[in-house]
Amino acid sequence: QKEVEQDPGPLSVPEGAIVSLNCTYSNSAFQYFMWYRQYSRKGPELLMYTYSSGNKEDGRFTAQVDKSSKYISLFIRDSQPSDSATYLCAMEANKLSFGAGTTVTVRA
Amino acid sequence: DGGITQSPKYLFRKEGQNVTLSCEQNLNHDAMYWYRQDPGQGLRLIYYSQIVNDFQKGDIAEGYSVSREKKESFPLTVTSAQKNPTAFYLCASSASRGRAETQYFGPGTRLLVL
Repeated sequence: QKEVEQDPGPLSVPEGAIVSLNCTYSNSAFQYFMWYRQYSRKGPELLMYTYSSGNKEDGRFTAQVDKSSKYISLFIRDSQPSDSATYLCAMEANKLSFGAGTTVTVRA
Repeated sequence: DGGITQSPKYLFRKEGQNVTLSCEQNLNHDAMYWYRQDPGQGLRLIYYSQIVNDFQKGDIAEGYSVSREKKESFPLTVTSAQKNPTAFYLCASSASRGRAETQYFGPGTRLLVL
């Protein structure tokens, strides 16, 4: 069993829809939770970083962490074609562990 | 303009050949990392370095070697012992290990086998 599980998709939504992404994990030692966005043939860039259970908002993006269920989510409101990318979750104990990434396409 | 640069963008390797991927950062970060990305598998850690002249194996170090002679530079050599080298290689740096929120990635090098 992988430490971090993420559905690879692909996920296709119309412009303006809410995109919902999630990851589950098995290691209770994970303390820090991140979401990265990766455009095709580019390096990942950090989108959101959270430490505690609960919600964190940044513009159209909301990251949610539920440590009791070992479940994290990323929501993208009012999605745009420029949001089309692969989204990677990552978690840190003494090193970063990544999910496989979910490929999202937002249709104009 | 701070950041991480990787070169080349594309690299072709012949059978039995060693090739070296370059990674340079001007962020004054102490820690540097090499990851390998394969379709459907996320990023896997090859090697990391927390300080000059010191580096540690990651989860998939076999067939790879690194050096850290300068703070700014962390080159990765893919040796002939790596039997399946075709992948997207990403270099990253962070202020220190355990400061993942400061981790930046380079643009990547795609390695292909001829």
